[in-house]
Parts: sequence; C-alpha cells; structure tokens
Amino acid sequence: QQQVKQSPQSLIVQKGGISIINCAYENTAFDYFPWYQQFPGKGPALLIAIRPDVSEKKEGRFTISFNKSAKQFSLHIMDSQPGDSATYFCAAEDNYGQNFVFGPGTRLSVLP
Amino acid sequence: KAGVTQTPRYLIKTRGQQVTLSCSPISGHRSVSWYQQTPGQGLQFLFEYFSETQRNKGNFPGRFSGRQFSNSRSEMNVSTLELGDSALYLCASSLGVQGVQETQYFGPGTRLLVL
Repeated sequence: QQQVKQSPQSLIVQKGGISIINCAYENTAFDYFPWYQQFPGKGPALLIAIRPDVSEKKEGRFTISFNKSAKQFSLHIMDSQPGDSATYFCAAEDNYGQNFVFGPGTRLSVLP
Repeated sequence: KAGVTQTPRYLIKTRGQQVTLSCSPISGHRSVSWYQQTPGQGLQFLFEYFSETQRNKGNFPGRFSGRQFSNSRSEMNVSTLELGDSALYLCASSLGVQGVQETQYFGPGTRLLVL
C-alpha cells in the first residue's frame, strides 16, 4: 500500500513530441505528489508538484494531470527536447509530511 | 544559498569494511533524509534525522546507521559492507516542519562501489 507504481520504465520520444509518464498509488493518505528529474551524475531535482485539490497543474512545458478517484497522476512533457533526456521519478507524501515514497523511475530519451 | 553537499563523491571499498558518508544540508534546513539508489530497486528510503534524532526509518538492516550533529550535518555509516551495498547514496534536506509537506532538496550523491 505504500508503493507508487510508475510506467513506462523507459520511453523514447522524437524531438517536439509529447512524453507521458504515468503513476498510480494505493494509500489514500498520500496527498502531495511531486515529480523529480534526475540527470546522470546528479541528485534528483524537483520539477513540479501537485496536491489532490486540483486536477491539473502546468509549468511551462510540464503538466501534471491528477485523477483522485482513480488514484493516478501523470506527467506530460510537451514539445520534448533532447535536454529533457533524464530519469523522471514520481513520488507521494502523506498528509503528515512523514511517509515519502518514490516510484521506480522512467528513463526518457528524446531523439534530436 | 549553497545546495546540499555530500562527501566523498566516489568511494571504493571491499567486502567486510565499513564506510562513513557525510551530508551537509542547505543552511537553515534541519531535516536530513538518506536514500539508497540502485538500478534494480530505485530510490529507497533509509532514514530521516531531525534535531539530532532519528525521526523515520526505512526497511534496512542494522548495518546501516546514521547520526546528525547540532549543526544539522549528518553522517551515514554502513558496517560489514556487502557487494549488494554498491549504490548511489543520496541525502536530501528540508526545513523539517512536522506535519507539513515540503520539497526535499537532494545532494549529488556518493557513489559507493563494494568489491
């Protein structure tokens, strides 16, 4: 119940295309859902985050869609660029600010 | 503000040895969490320290331990190293306000190779 599932494991997209990564959770106590981006040799960095009181959040080319009833959320990267090539992790934190769980990650490659 | 720093960045040890990793959080951050990252298991939570006390703990054996100093710097120790301990060890810091969800800021990690 503490897990966050993430798919796909890897993703190859052409430059200018849309990258979509999906996550699902079971624990209804989770109510903060950040996405992290990790480049090789670096630690993960916060990309964008959402709380379940909204269904969508957009920051530049990055959009999180959230479906509370299905307990699913997804990251959309519009106009994907080679510089977006990285590993993306979804995560979930409970409303006590204690349990913080990462998904297994998606390796995105954007071809030039 | 300077980011989270971790030392050393790379480390090679042999089985049976012990290792100590260090993490300096962002100034003003009092919570430090440690994670193990491997290709097969992803990011796994080790433990969290706040005000020199372990506040949360993941599901790792007792060979993994940590501590936090009064300046919020934290160290992680792994004793009797095993080949499977080879991983990237990440620390993350946050303000640590209880009951508040906060962004965790990660350091670059220490890559440990056990031979």
